[in-house]
Amino acid sequence: GAVVSQHPSRVICKSGTSVKIECRSLDFQATTMFWYRQFPKQSLMLMATSNEGSKATYEQGVEKDKFLINHASLTLSTLTVTSAHPEDSSFYICSAPREGKNTEAFFGQGTRLTVV
Amino acid sequence: GENVEQHPSTLSVQEGDSAVIKCTYSDSASNYFPWYKQELGKGPQLIIDIRSNVGEKKDQRIAVTLNKTAKHFSLHITETQPEDSAVYFCAASDSWGKFQFGAGTQVVVTP
Repeated sequence: GAVVSQHPSRVICKSGTSVKIECRSLDFQATTMFWYRQFPKQSLMLMATSNEGSKATYEQGVEKDKFLINHASLTLSTLTVTSAHPEDSSFYICSAPREGKNTEAFFGQGTRLTVV
Repeated sequence: GENVEQHPSTLSVQEGDSAVIKCTYSDSASNYFPWYKQELGKGPQLIIDIRSNVGEKKDQRIAVTLNKTAKHFSLHITETQPEDSAVYFCAASDSWGKFQFGAGTQVVVTP
């Protein structure tokens, strides 16, 4: 079946550095991918919509210059957390719909980011 | 925009009993309603979904009901087992794969 792979699964970085998270659709093409953030014991909050070949669309309150999204191909979207701070520590999850409208969205395994 | 409310936030059930989680949504344009199970440290896994042209769907021990008029949908798990313990999220969508999630329900099944 369709799989979305996210890498890395865990990362620890120092404050002020940048971290890149990859999201790949393994057996299907995804012109659109979504990035979510989940704080402990909370729900998934949509951060942005990643669009292949065009700029990402950010949700209200999400800083586009801090969370850089690049959708360079039909199978890869990357999220770069720039100048990371401890408050950016969270669980980041990507998803990709396979095709058509209102079909299942496949989720990645998530990336646990810890900023120290 | 869409707002999804989910209740209860925690649910403890005895093994073998049924569990019910309820969600309401605000946007009448929403027409796809998936339910996800999330285990600690992992991404959400789809367990069942329902579209707006259907009132009920069942898959073995899991069922989902949808009342479009009232804008609510529910997850029913029968004959619960310890491995059903997890956090469950409902979601609503009116566009291509973009979801608004409920707050989640921590389900604990005790042997």
